[in-house]
Amino acid sequence: DQQVKQNSPSLSVQEGRISILNCDYTNSMFDYFLWYKKYPAEGPTFLISISSIKDKNEDGRFTVFLNKSAKHLSLHIVPSQPGDSAVYFCAAFERGAQKLVFGQGTRLTINP
Amino acid sequence: DGGITQSPKYLFRKEGQNVTLSCEQNLNHDAMYWYRQDPGQGLRLIYYSQIVNDFQKGDIAEGYSVSREKKESFPLTVTSAQKNPTAFYLCASRDRGRNTEAFFGQGTRLTVV
Repeated sequence: DQQVKQNSPSLSVQEGRISILNCDYTNSMFDYFLWYKKYPAEGPTFLISISSIKDKNEDGRFTVFLNKSAKHLSLHIVPSQPGDSAVYFCAAFERGAQKLVFGQGTRLTINP
Repeated sequence: DGGITQSPKYLFRKEGQNVTLSCEQNLNHDAMYWYRQDPGQGLRLIYYSQIVNDFQKGDIAEGYSVSREKKESFPLTVTSAQKNPTAFYLCASRDRGRNTEAFFGQGTRLTVV
């Protein structure tokens, strides 16, 4: 049972435009959400997070939006840069169980 | 400087042999995690530990075992019962008490031949 889902395996965006990556979850006990960026054969690196008590968190070019009623979150990158090309993972944390669950990832390609 | 270290980066083993992957952290984190990544797949949770001498099965624990005898260390053993052990394995740690991110090691690529 996939509790965190990223339904788009890949996304291609032109440099300078906005990239929007989406993530859905099913477990209502998740209370903290994170986005990671990953290159091949390396560990993921943390990008941005959001607590379930908020609906938006912004850090530079990166903004995460959380819609609790829809159990949906999204990552906006604007403007997109070639260095943003990577695989992006959405993750969700269940406080009680201390369980951190990841989605399948979305490969983002920024075209010059 | 603080961090999380996985060793070795590449590991080859013959089919039927058990193999142990190392994960060490000096971040003073209570919680540690093991994930597996297959080509084109996400990160799937194998085992996790909230505190020393305690651990829980994740979503794909069959064929794996762990121990947590020290706060700094969370080794993963891939046993001969694991049907498809060839994969990229990632270890992470996290501060249990706060809303913070998990920090990852650089991963171990295990190839079973």
